[in-house]
Amino acid sequence: EVQLVEFGGGLVQPGGSLRLSCAASGFTFSSYEMNWVRQAPGKGLEWVSYISSSGINIYYADSVRGRFTISRDNAKNSLYLQMNSLRAEDTGVYYCARDGYYQAAGYWGQGTLVTVSS
Amino acid sequence: EIVLTQSPGTLSLSPGERATLSCRASQSVSSGYLAWYQQKPGQAPRLLIYGASTRATGIPDRFSGSGSGTDFTLTISRLEPEDFAVYYCQQSGSSPRLTFGGGTKVEIK
Repeated sequence: EVQLVEFGGGLVQPGGSLRLSCAASGFTFSSYEMNWVRQAPGKGLEWVSYISSSGINIYYADSVRGRFTISRDNAKNSLYLQMNSLRAEDTGVYYCARDGYYQAAGYWGQGTLVTVSS
Repeated sequence: EIVLTQSPGTLSLSPGERATLSCRASQSVSSGYLAWYQQKPGQAPRLLIYGASTRATGIPDRFSGSGSGTDFTLTISRLEPEDFAVYYCQQSGSSPRLTFGGGTKVEIK
């Protein structure tokens, strides 16, 4: 069974940093492209970042480029999101999601809540 | 950047009725890279449709997707109680890599 479990969320002050992790199991992690998607409270879904299966190709949304860094460790079946210079508008639930056919996200974790507030 | 506009914002229907949700793109979506998701409160999104019209594994056949280019539709033929939720369309294949629509809430009338 495919499982994605995010952790590392929490309360952080504006300007602070946080590192999210996503532990993958039930599939060959090194074969799949991965994404981070977030959702502000009461709002819609926003794509944050993408990383290819090898980690070579990486993309970011304009809203986080230069502040967030996506990475992966295929030996540990883990995906990461290093978030620096956090802002109030970065508050929300962060999901890791596995790419599938036509780049649709077929599997999602349960999400981890990030709250940026003083 | 491709912008996806979903309509209506809210759809009020009764169980057993047909639901028709629209997703319009500001530019042509490449090769059918259009997906639909369902999200219930407190849950992660669930993939319903990919490639514009292919149902994901385990999705009932009352859900169907259609469209191409800039106009796409999700149809729920007969609403079941568990179908009342928020639905998002998503495009991929164009920069930025993924874009979501603003969502359509299907609520009980």
